[in-house]
Amino acid sequence: QSALTQPASVSGSPGQSITISCTGTSSDVGNYNLVSWYQQHPGKAPKLMIYEVSKRPSGVSNRFSGSKSGNTASLTISGLQAEDEAAYYCCSYVRGSTLLFGGGTKLTVL
Amino acid sequence: QVQLQESGPGLVKPSETLSLTCTVSGGSIKNYYWNWIRQPPGKGLEWIGYIYYSGSANYSPSLKSRVTISVDTPKNQVSLKLSSVTAADTAVYYCARSGRDDALDIWGQGTMVTVSS
Repeated sequence: QSALTQPASVSGSPGQSITISCTGTSSDVGNYNLVSWYQQHPGKAPKLMIYEVSKRPSGVSNRFSGSKSGNTASLTISGLQAEDEAAYYCCSYVRGSTLLFGGGTKLTVL
Repeated sequence: QVQLQESGPGLVKPSETLSLTCTVSGGSIKNYYWNWIRQPPGKGLEWIGYIYYSGSANYSPSLKSRVTISVDTPKNQVSLKLSSVTAADTAVYYCARSGRDDALDIWGQGTMVTVSS
C-alpha cells in the first residue's frame, strides 16, 4: 500500500495562493469523499485543516479550502501568510477500512 | 476540552515489543475511533491502526502482523503493542481521535521511541 502522492515542496510569496495536490487511486481518493488535510509545524503534532474533502473545522481560517477531482484531491491556501509555512499531509480512507497518508509537502513562504 | 497523552518507554531493544498507552482526559472514549500514527525522524506520517471504543480494530496492512491495539474504557485508555521491533520502528508515535468522517481531529503531543540495543 503506497503512500498517496504529493509534491515534495511548494512555495509562494505572501498574499499569493498555492495548491497542493494529493493523488491516489480508485480504491481511496477516487471513490470516497473522506479526504482530510493536516498542517504540521516542526516539532509539533499535526493539526486538522480540512475533512471530508472540503469541510473546515471550527477555528480554521477560510483561507484554506479543499476540493477533489477524480483520483486527485487538492488543498488551496489563499492569501499566503508567513505562519502558513509548514508541512502538509493529505489522508484518505481506503477500501477495507484503513487510512493512508500522503508523503507530505513542505510549504515555503518566500 | 479533550486531551490525549501518550506514555511509555522511550527506548526499546531490537526484537522486543514496543508498548505505549494513550490516556484520554476531558471527555469520554465512547463513540469515537482511536488511532495510532507514527513519524520516523525527518519523514512523513504513517497510519498504524485504530480501535473503536467497542473494541473493533483495524490495522495497516504493512504492520498488521506485528500490531495489536486495545482499549480500556473504564480507564479511558488506548494501548499499542508493536512486536519484533527493528531500528526502522524508531519514530514519534501519536495517538489521535477520529469520528465516522475519519478526520483525525484531536492529537496527542507524541512520544519519541528509539529502537536500539
